[in-house]
Amino acid sequence: QVQLQESGPGLVKPSETLSLTCSVSGGSISGYYWSWIRQPPGKTLEWIGYIYYNGGTDFNPSLKSRVTISIDTSKNQFSLKLNSVTAADTAVYYCARHASSSAKFDSWGQGTLVTVSS
Amino acid sequence: DIQMTQSPSSLSASVGDRVTITCRASQSISSYLNWYQHKAGKAPKLLIYTASNLQSGVPSRFSGSGSGTDFTLTISSLQPEDFATYYCQQSYSTPRFGQGTKVEIK
Repeated sequence: QVQLQESGPGLVKPSETLSLTCSVSGGSISGYYWSWIRQPPGKTLEWIGYIYYNGGTDFNPSLKSRVTISIDTSKNQFSLKLNSVTAADTAVYYCARHASSSAKFDSWGQGTLVTVSS
Repeated sequence: DIQMTQSPSSLSASVGDRVTITCRASQSISSYLNWYQHKAGKAPKLLIYTASNLQSGVPSRFSGSGSGTDFTLTISSLQPEDFATYYCQQSYSTPRFGQGTKVEIK
């Protein structure tokens, strides 16, 4: 059974870049779509964007100008960079898998809390 | 931009109760509607996809129905492990989640 694990700094300063990595184990990263999703405190889940194993991407229009998602198939990892962060970017960040661009998220990581604060 | 509205935002129920959660889309999304269960500190879990299909490994007490703009998640007999927050999510366009329904013990 595939497992996903997010990693990265838990504290980021305002205006800096948030960087997270999702490590995939128990299955190949190839053939699937890989998304980042976040949940600010007290709010609902928000899809950030996805990367296909071949490098194709799509993003939430509300975040598109600040987001980069990349993939390293040799390491079975994909990564998120969100630049120019503010306190509004404080959230639990999840990585998730889906089998098509029509997003049905069938496996998720447990999430990692990222706080934006000076 | 398609908005998803869930109701109720929370409910209290007892073990064995039948529970129904509704989700409404701001425009037609055909059957592109998924349901998730989320417990604090854990990974969300896919329960139902494309409105009415039970994800592998999910107990049959969970069921989904609907199409177009109105959808329902039903738990036929609530079990202790079902107390959680439930989210609908449309996959017709840019993925968007409902606000969540917290199911609490009565």
